[in-house]
Amino acid sequence: NAGVTQTPKFQVLKTGQSMTLQCAQDMNHEYMSWYRQDPGMGLRLIHYSVGAGITDQGEVPNGYNVSRSTTEDFPLRLLSAAPSQTSVYFCASRIHRVSNEQFFGPGTRLTVL
Amino acid sequence: DAKTTQPTSMDCAEGRAANLPCNHSTISGNEYVYWYRQIHSQGPQYIIHGLKNNETNEMASLIITEDRKSSTLILPHATLRDTAVYYCIVRAENNAGNMLTFGGGTRLMVKP
Repeated sequence: NAGVTQTPKFQVLKTGQSMTLQCAQDMNHEYMSWYRQDPGMGLRLIHYSVGAGITDQGEVPNGYNVSRSTTEDFPLRLLSAAPSQTSVYFCASRIHRVSNEQFFGPGTRLTVL
Repeated sequence: DAKTTQPTSMDCAEGRAANLPCNHSTISGNEYVYWYRQIHSQGPQYIIHGLKNNETNEMASLIITEDRKSSTLILPHATLRDTAVYYCIVRAENNAGNMLTFGGGTRLMVKP
């Protein structure tokens, strides 16, 4: 298994540009989520999904959209990038509600100029 | 979910046990204690979790006090590769989305 994969690893955007961060997992996990990590702030939950077709907001959802059309993929969309969205983004998955171990991807480092 | 308090940083000599404390004085009866770590430039990695009994796996041991208001993660023989930020997280099984809330963590530096 490849586990949780994320693309791209690095991205630079200009203010106002849009882009999609890709996340995929090949473990047939029900739960997937997106976090952002900023210096000194740990990880903050952006959006999560409890299964295909179901998404919900986390702690810091503003400026981001998600969809979950398949079990495997959970893309994160920035519709109009802002410098405040400069961060490292991690995607994670877990098998189901009673699973305790969450698997994280390698991260995407995004810079918005 | 209950809030946790951890020291900002700790040092440990290579080969020695690393004991990382965590306070969670407002923990509820149905909340578990989880530990994750994050090595520089990588995604977080699950280590161990427990409810009230002490737990041990191939990576670490978790000691939870009888009143469950604090816990200690023990790396029995720390190596240089254990240098990372360690996160203590308290989470209920039935919380919304069943997702984890990460705080600032403890930066462990293992020194030769």
